[in-house]
Amino acid sequence: EAQVTQNPRYLITVTGKKLTVTCSQNMNHEYMSWYRQDPGLGLRQIYYSMNVEVTDKGDVPEGYKVSRKEKRNFPLILESPSPNQTSLYFCASSRFSGGSHTDTQYFGPGTRLTVL
Amino acid sequence: RKEVEQDPGPFNVPEGATVAFNCTYSNSASQSFFWYRQDCRKEPKLLMSVYSSGNEDGRFTAQLNRASQYISLLIRDSKLSDSATYLCVVNKVEDTGRRALTFGSGTRLQVQP
Repeated sequence: EAQVTQNPRYLITVTGKKLTVTCSQNMNHEYMSWYRQDPGLGLRQIYYSMNVEVTDKGDVPEGYKVSRKEKRNFPLILESPSPNQTSLYFCASSRFSGGSHTDTQYFGPGTRLTVL
Repeated sequence: RKEVEQDPGPFNVPEGATVAFNCTYSNSASQSFFWYRQDCRKEPKLLMSVYSSGNEDGRFTAQLNRASQYISLLIRDSKLSDSATYLCVVNKVEDTGRRALTFGSGTRLQVQP
């Protein structure tokens, strides 16, 4: 089954304690992204990756890191989480076809993070 | 001004009703347009793409007006299972290759028996 998986699904942590949210896709997609979703703000892109070892900042990258060592995995790292990073996080993947209508984004199930 | 604006709702409609959602976008360089559906606390899923000529998928009809930078979604014969938040999504590909997907905040629909 084609899917994007994320772990953990729920996480409560404390300020400053480093954490990693994993993301994996089994569709051989080149393009992967991380988004955060906050009430009234919609989904905002944190980082994206166009292929292995190619990553770049999205709209709200401050406080986050990513890596893309393998095509299928795109972990999100919070080196020193703060309460303003409490949010719902989604990983997504797609074929990179230049923005055509067939270039559907597939989202993972989400990770609900609370930073105390 | 937000890049993609939607009426947040909620729209409370009875089963069988026809309901229309609107969305406006500010970036005229936008290339592709979509409606995604998001159930409570779940991931967004593609509902349909939006083509310039308008397109229909069963009970759902999407329209795009590039001149007015306006997108719409019409749902006919609403079902209880249509209750969800509908996200208007606009895409452009930047010179860097970044797929700049911009999401509206969503319009919540509640279909009542």
